[in-house]
Amino acid sequence: QLQLQESGPGLVKPSETLSLTCTVSGGSISGSSYYWGWIRQPPGKGLEWIGSIYYSGSIYYNPSLKSRVTMSVDTSKNQFSLNLSSVTAADTAVYYCSSAVYYFDYWGQGTLVTVSS
Amino acid sequence: EIVMTQSPGTLSVSPGERATLSCRASQSVSSNLAWYQQKPGQAPRLLIHGASTRATGIPARFSGSGSGTEFTLTISSLQSEDFAVYYCQQYNNWPPWTFGQGTKVEIK
Repeated sequence: QLQLQESGPGLVKPSETLSLTCTVSGGSISGSSYYWGWIRQPPGKGLEWIGSIYYSGSIYYNPSLKSRVTMSVDTSKNQFSLNLSSVTAADTAVYYCSSAVYYFDYWGQGTLVTVSS
Repeated sequence: EIVMTQSPGTLSVSPGERATLSCRASQSVSSNLAWYQQKPGQAPRLLIHGASTRATGIPARFSGSGSGTEFTLTISSLQSEDFAVYYCQQYNNWPPWTFGQGTKVEIK
């Protein structure tokens, strides 16, 4: 069974870049048909898909965030990463990493990222 | 982008009663719809995919139905552990994958 774990700073200053990594265990990032994705949830609000990446390099971003998002995969470390640039307070949220064929079946526990000076 | 709309926003139900949650898509998503359960402080958990297929380990009291633009999640007899927020998500037209805004099921 896959397990996913997010890691990264819990506090980011406005205008800086939010960087998170998701470590996958229980399976190989490159050995499955999963898309590896990021989803966020502002405090008290709903879920927003950020983007998804396939190990071979196909990447899809939410059009609403596309200009600020970069995702990558490191198959040697069985990890994938998220960079979100020029953050504002509106980017404060719990960030989840997840695996998806088309629906999201495995999730990390989530990590709260607060944007504040 | 397909917009998913859930109703009601909050559903108050007594333990042992049936709960019926609705999800509407702004255009047809065929049967490419999933439901998730989220408890406070936890990640969402996949309940249903393909509109009606229960995910591994999900109790039979959870059932999904519908196709096209109208979908329903039914919890046949609410248990204490079922009080949570439920989200629908379409995966027919992507990107973007889109979620509904959620329905909170609370104890009456």
